Amino acid sequence: QQQVKQSPQSLIVQKGGIPIINCAYENTAFDYFPWYQQFPGKGPALLIAIRPDVSEKKEGRFTISFNKSAKQFSLHIMDSQPGDSATYFCAASMVFGNEKLTFGTGTRLTIIP
Amino acid sequence: GAGVSQSPSNKVTEKGKDVELRCDPISGHTALYWYRQSLGQGLEFLIYFQGNSAPDKSGLPSDRFSAERTGGSVSTLTIQRTQQEDSAVYLCASSSRRDRGNTIYFGEGSWLTVV
Repeated sequence: QQQVKQSPQSLIVQKGGIPIINCAYENTAFDYFPWYQQFPGKGPALLIAIRPDVSEKKEGRFTISFNKSAKQFSLHIMDSQPGDSATYFCAASMVFGNEKLTFGTGTRLTIIP
Repeated sequence: GAGVSQSPSNKVTEKGKDVELRCDPISGHTALYWYRQSLGQGLEFLIYFQGNSAPDKSGLPSDRFSAERTGGSVSTLTIQRTQQEDSAVYLCASSSRRDRGNTIYFGEGSWLTVV
């Protein structure tokens, strides 16, 4: 019930392409879905987050698509750049109640020039 | 400081020794988390403190691991009788219920190597 499944494990995309990372969750009580970005040697940092009352959220080049009925959400990076190369983690939690974030296993993204 | 502060940033210890890792959360944050990240792996939840509530210890891998949070602020993660498989980055994070959406802020981690 607490699991968040993330795919792919790694992804290589050419500059300008649109990498897509997918996550699926099981616990229907989850109502907060953030994405974290982690560069080598650094802690993860919040990139963008969505609540289930909307199906899409955009912040700059980053977009979350959310499908509540399928219990899936995904991250799209528009016009990807080499500087976007990092590990991306999806996560899920409840806003109220147990707020502990459950993370996916991560996707190592490489953007090649 | 403005962010989550962890110390030491790097620790090399001999197998069997005890280690203590410290976390200073963002001022005013009521929630504090410890996660573990092995090389190239995901984030493994260890323990979660929220205000004065009993901590969620469900992620601690064995009784060699313990954590405490004094005065609702600083936290210490203790690993007793360290083993080589304990080598990992230990990440602390904090959050505030006042933040919409439970944004949690991570420190840069304590890199533990057991030799």
